[in-house]
Amino acid sequence: DAGVIQSPRHEVTEMGQEVTLRCKPISGHNSLFWYRQTMMRGLELLIYFNNNVPIDDSGMPEDRFSAKMPNASFSTLKIQPSEPRDSAVYFCASSSGLAGYNEQFFGPGTRLTVL
Amino acid sequence: AQTVTQSQPEMSVQEAETVTLSCTYDTSESDYYLFWYKQPPSRQMILVIRQEAYKQQNATENRFSVNFQKAAKSFSLKISDSQLGDAAMYFCAYRSLNTGNQFYFGTGTSLTVIP
Repeated sequence: DAGVIQSPRHEVTEMGQEVTLRCKPISGHNSLFWYRQTMMRGLELLIYFNNNVPIDDSGMPEDRFSAKMPNASFSTLKIQPSEPRDSAVYFCASSSGLAGYNEQFFGPGTRLTVL
Repeated sequence: AQTVTQSQPEMSVQEAETVTLSCTYDTSESDYYLFWYKQPPSRQMILVIRQEAYKQQNATENRFSVNFQKAAKSFSLKISDSQLGDAAMYFCAYRSLNTGNQFYFGTGTSLTVIP
């Protein structure tokens, strides 16, 4: 398995532009998580899905942020409009809901820079 | 909600020596999973070791071992024979089995290995 795939790996955009981050979870995993990591705030959970349904989006900072999971193999995190304070590394992770050693598997992250 | 606390923002260890990273958590659940993740400068989050709460035996993975004290809600990571490649940020994580597969991460401990 290729692991969790995220694209793009790096994104540089200007304030006010729309940004879309993409994630493909590991096949067979039914939980997907979006995190944001900054030096100031550490690793923050933004939202997570179980079986494509958003379970907890309380970590989404503002209405400018939205996430979708239209099917089991794809999710997007959109920021519209983007602001400089959104600059961070965004991680997607997936896990299996079955009993067992169900750790999260992380993607490589997307480094977002908003100018 | 469960909370995970890592009280050591930074630690250092001499190469070949042993270091212990602390983690405590707060929960009312009786069954859950605990994990230690490593994040090297490449940013990739890598699972180091896992522990099931119902197991009394401490998990061990080569040079990495844990001291799991369920009553004290403590889950420390011991790294023996430290190597330069162990230098990274280490995150402690808790997985709830009762709240929809939710994961909770600590704020991380930055480990420096001194040659």
